[in-house]
Amino acid sequence: GAVVSQHPSWVICKSGTSVKIECRSLDFQATTMFWYRQFPKQSLMLMATSNEGSKATYEQGVEKDKFLINHASLTLSTLTVTSAHPEDSSFYICSARDPGSVGYTFGSGTRLTVV
Amino acid sequence: DAKTTQPPSMDCAEGRAANLPCNHSTISGNEYVYWYRQIHSQGPQYIIHGLKNNETNEMASLIITEDRKSSTLILPHATLRDTAVYYCIVRVARSNDYKLSFGAGTTVTVRA
Repeated sequence: GAVVSQHPSWVICKSGTSVKIECRSLDFQATTMFWYRQFPKQSLMLMATSNEGSKATYEQGVEKDKFLINHASLTLSTLTVTSAHPEDSSFYICSARDPGSVGYTFGSGTRLTVV
Repeated sequence: DAKTTQPPSMDCAEGRAANLPCNHSTISGNEYVYWYRQIHSQGPQYIIHGLKNNETNEMASLIITEDRKSSTLILPHATLRDTAVYYCIVRVARSNDYKLSFGAGTTVTVRA
């Protein structure tokens, strides 16, 4: 079945630094990928829709200059958390839809801790 | 966009069937019902989806009422590994994007 690989699975960074999270579709091409954020004991919140070759579409309330999304190829989308602060600590998850499969496939998530 | 309502939590016994209800009374005719689950600290996993007919796969069965205002996910023989948060989602379409919006879900605990 379709596989989405997310890297790293966890990262600890200092406040003020930037962190890049990668999301790869391993056996299919994805023109669209989605980025979610999940705080402890809460549901997933959609942050943005990543579109290959064009600008990402951000959900209301999500700062596009803070959460930079790049979708330069049909198999890779990256999310960069810029100038990270402790309140950005969260579980970040990407997903993509394989046109040949049912449903959406999710990555295993990235646990970001900003200290 | 159709919203869904699920009970916040549910316990079930190992080996028994688990029936998870979902209300989606505002669903429109071309919207599908999807079920996903999320085991602790992992990404969500697709379970099943349907439009109006009942569906079954190797993981579960999905029963959709005739008026499509509610559905039930059935895990036929729950195991401890089925302990997870289960999300009932109505697929939203916006131009060419098909984003999934997650509600609070049902926390299912399977007990030995």
